[in-house]
Amino acid sequence: ETGVTQTPRHLVMGMTNKKSLKCEQHLGHNAMYWYKQSAKKPLELMFVYSLEERVENNSVPSRFSPECPNSSHLFLHLHTLQPEDSALYLCASSQRNTGELFFGEGSRLTVL
Amino acid sequence: AQSVTQLGSHVSVSEGALVLLRCNYSSSVPPYLFWYVQYPNQGLQLLLKYTTGATLVKGINGFEAEFKKSETSFHLTKPSAHMSDAAEYFCAASLTNAGKSTFGDGTTLTVKP
Repeated sequence: ETGVTQTPRHLVMGMTNKKSLKCEQHLGHNAMYWYKQSAKKPLELMFVYSLEERVENNSVPSRFSPECPNSSHLFLHLHTLQPEDSALYLCASSQRNTGELFFGEGSRLTVL
Repeated sequence: AQSVTQLGSHVSVSEGALVLLRCNYSSSVPPYLFWYVQYPNQGLQLLLKYTTGATLVKGINGFEAEFKKSETSFHLTKPSAHMSDAAEYFCAASLTNAGKSTFGDGTTLTVKP
């Protein structure tokens, strides 16, 4: 496989469920990101991991919990979400300081 | 704080017509500039980028953009639109690390037959 792979592509969950989104990059990059894309809103940067350390957390609610076990994998753990959290969650990777992001196809999350 | 403004949330052109999508940035120093395209139910894909050097940048699918420092602009153009160009286009700016890119709100391009 090449590029950035996200699973699952679609997820429906209740507000009391716990689920996780997974991202894997096969590009040898050393930085990974989670973005949230909601309808009629700009792309929101949620978390940045550089060399497996979280370097940015943009005031994201604690019901979203990221994990980066190594430079190729990134998870977003979800628990007690709200309906307004329904969105497309995009994972991206880059080589630090090159300025170019490589995105996965996204995980479409619906919270009932 | 850096900001990116895309003028026009929706642009409609006829097939074969010129495509012009506008992007302006606000920054005290010239940033890295990018255009990404997003097709339905997919992630964003890089079309082209400006870092340093030549101000006219050519990208994939026949698109190009020109960095104009005096106008703080980075407009995207394509001489002749194809139906397959219908998508959402995002302009982004970054001072250094890619993860700190600021994205515009996006422009939806519709191509009419």
